[in-house]
Amino acid sequence: DTAVSQTPKYLVTQMGNDKSIKCEQNLGHDTMYWYKQDSKKFLKIMFSYNNKELIINETVPNRFSPKSPDKAHLNLHINSLELGDSAVYFCASSQPQGSGNTIYFGEGSWLTVV
Amino acid sequence: QKEVEQNSGPLSVPEGAIASLNCTYSDRGSQSFFWYRQYSGKSPELIMSIYSNGDKEDGRFTAQLNKASQYVSLLIRDSQPSDSATYLCAVDKYSGGGADGLTFGKGTHLIIQP
Repeated sequence: DTAVSQTPKYLVTQMGNDKSIKCEQNLGHDTMYWYKQDSKKFLKIMFSYNNKELIINETVPNRFSPKSPDKAHLNLHINSLELGDSAVYFCASSQPQGSGNTIYFGEGSWLTVV
Repeated sequence: QKEVEQNSGPLSVPEGAIASLNCTYSDRGSQSFFWYRQYSGKSPELIMSIYSNGDKEDGRFTAQLNKASQYVSLLIRDSQPSDSATYLCAVDKYSGGGADGLTFGKGTHLIIQP
């Protein structure tokens, strides 16, 4: 069983389109994240949710809108896609506790905007 | 401003030797430290976590932490070609309970030469 699963894995779309990436975790974690990894492999946090509540909203264009229907799901909707949005988007989850905040990543969604 | 610095490499090490990967961080309040391994086209996977000054060993991997110097390192003994990957250093400001996620360095590309 995949602990953090996201779909689709690959997505090629034209500029201006709207697309969504879905994520689900079966680890029972309270916290979920979206990270973006650019072409230089730099992994940067975009959003975090704790039990469906938005905790972190980094400097991300408002074309990106996360939605968490429940604590096991965190979806990412992107409006009016631009070339610069091409990247790998990783969903992740964690259960922050006294021993630290180990984050588990999904397999990634490779987005290419043409 | 949280910042995690790593030498991007590539770091080339002969098979069977010790690979040494280094990381410095700027936020003196950081509490938890992690090393992730990322193979090309895959998601990051956790190798080690360390929270206290000193060494922590797990099989062929040893993580070292020096909070006074704001320095974390990862040693890989008896390096194998399968260790060739990008190694990401990550830092968490909180020892637990926070949903801020981790701040990642840009990664060191390690190549183990057969």
